[in-house]
Amino acid sequence: AQTVTQSQPEMSVQEAETVTLSCTYDTSESDYYLFWYKQPPSRQMILVIRQEAYKQQNATENRFSVNFQKAAKSFSLKISDSQLGDAAMYFCAYRSALGNQFYFGTGTSLTVIP
Amino acid sequence: DADVTQTPRNRITKTGKRIMLECSQTKGHDRMYWYRQDPGLGLRLIYYSFDVKDINKGEISDGYSVSRQAQAKFSLSLESAIPNQTALYFCATRDSQETQYFGPGTRLLVL
Repeated sequence: AQTVTQSQPEMSVQEAETVTLSCTYDTSESDYYLFWYKQPPSRQMILVIRQEAYKQQNATENRFSVNFQKAAKSFSLKISDSQLGDAAMYFCAYRSALGNQFYFGTGTSLTVIP
Repeated sequence: DADVTQTPRNRITKTGKRIMLECSQTKGHDRMYWYRQDPGLGLRLIYYSFDVKDINKGEISDGYSVSRQAQAKFSLSLESAIPNQTALYFCATRDSQETQYFGPGTRLLVL
């Protein structure tokens, strides 16, 4: 099974500031997909951003962007101009292009301080 | 209306009881998944299905079974519930762009 590691169980950020959540993964494959999901207190899982490993350009969705370092097997999420609504649990996930299973990290709980 | 729905949203049951969690989707996706979420462990895959004739075990399938009654319906059963199956259960679909769409989750407590 693939391993996805989120080494920061909890993070906090001041409103309007920038925060980066870390994620590393273990794989021997060259083609795969990486994801960040957000889980607010409502417990709904919401896709934040997706990255295809064959794309060198880092994905961006409004205030959310990633720093994808393929050689280092690192996939961090940067949230700019943090808002109170960003407070949630964030999960990193991996799926091989050849496989069917998704593997999730253990999550990072983000607190946004007003 | 939600694209992926789960029933019930919350359930309390007793050890040894049979329980079924249901999932329906209106997205027209062939691929469907069942996960459980435990505090500190993230989401772990129980079963997944690519169509009504294709059911596959995930990493933690022991103690669970599934049924894919139609493209839109994928049910998870606990034949004899035990306390360590207390968790939050998610159903999800997946589109051709590799994106998963999750249901709202079912919180299960086994006493």
